[in-house]
Amino acid sequence: KQEVTQIPAALSVPEGENLVLNCSFTDSAIYNLQWFRQDPGKGLTSLLLIQSSQREQTSGRLNASLDKSSGRSTLYIAASQPGDSATYLCAVGDAGGTSYGKLTFGQGTILTVHP
Amino acid sequence: NAGVTQTPKFQVLKTGQSMTLQCAQDMNHEYMSWYRQDPGMGLRLIHYSVGAGITDQGEVPNGYNVSRSTTEDFPLRLLSAAPSQTSVYFCASSYSVTGGYYGYTFGSGTRLTVV
Repeated sequence: KQEVTQIPAALSVPEGENLVLNCSFTDSAIYNLQWFRQDPGKGLTSLLLIQSSQREQTSGRLNASLDKSSGRSTLYIAASQPGDSATYLCAVGDAGGTSYGKLTFGQGTILTVHP
Repeated sequence: NAGVTQTPKFQVLKTGQSMTLQCAQDMNHEYMSWYRQDPGMGLRLIHYSVGAGITDQGEVPNGYNVSRSTTEDFPLRLLSAAPSQTSVYFCASSYSVTGGYYGYTFGSGTRLTVV
């Protein structure tokens, strides 16, 4: 059974800092890995999706990397802003068979960026 | 373009009552799923569907039923509500590309309390 762990559980940083959120998974037979953002009381917004054959994806100030062999992914946020404050969720897409398309989520990292 | 619409947004039930959480998407996505989110446990898959008439169980299916009579709708039924089903429920849809599933879109959630 796939298990996804996110470290740290919470992070508070001053505005302008570069930061890294970590995600690890136990089964390297994945199809893809996604990072989502969740604002309080809201749904999930997809930030980045990395296919299992890729090493990284970038969108603006966000960069996500994937090391499938070691079961790790990182989300790098450059020059953090108060508007980045949210919960960040890592989700692994299962590879093939009847579990196609299912996501296994980590517990999330609560990020607070203070001015 | 509404995306994924969930109703109701909030609901309070008494133990033993039944109800249906509604989910509709207007993107013609093949794949739809229901997750529940509990504090400290991330999102867990309840049921999913890979197309009209096809459903399957996820990680925590007990106490829930689903059906998929159309591509657009994927209702979740609570048969006899229990306090353990107090949670936030999210519906999601995605489309398949070359055998994989991309472009997850989540609804804004239904916050359910069972007393």
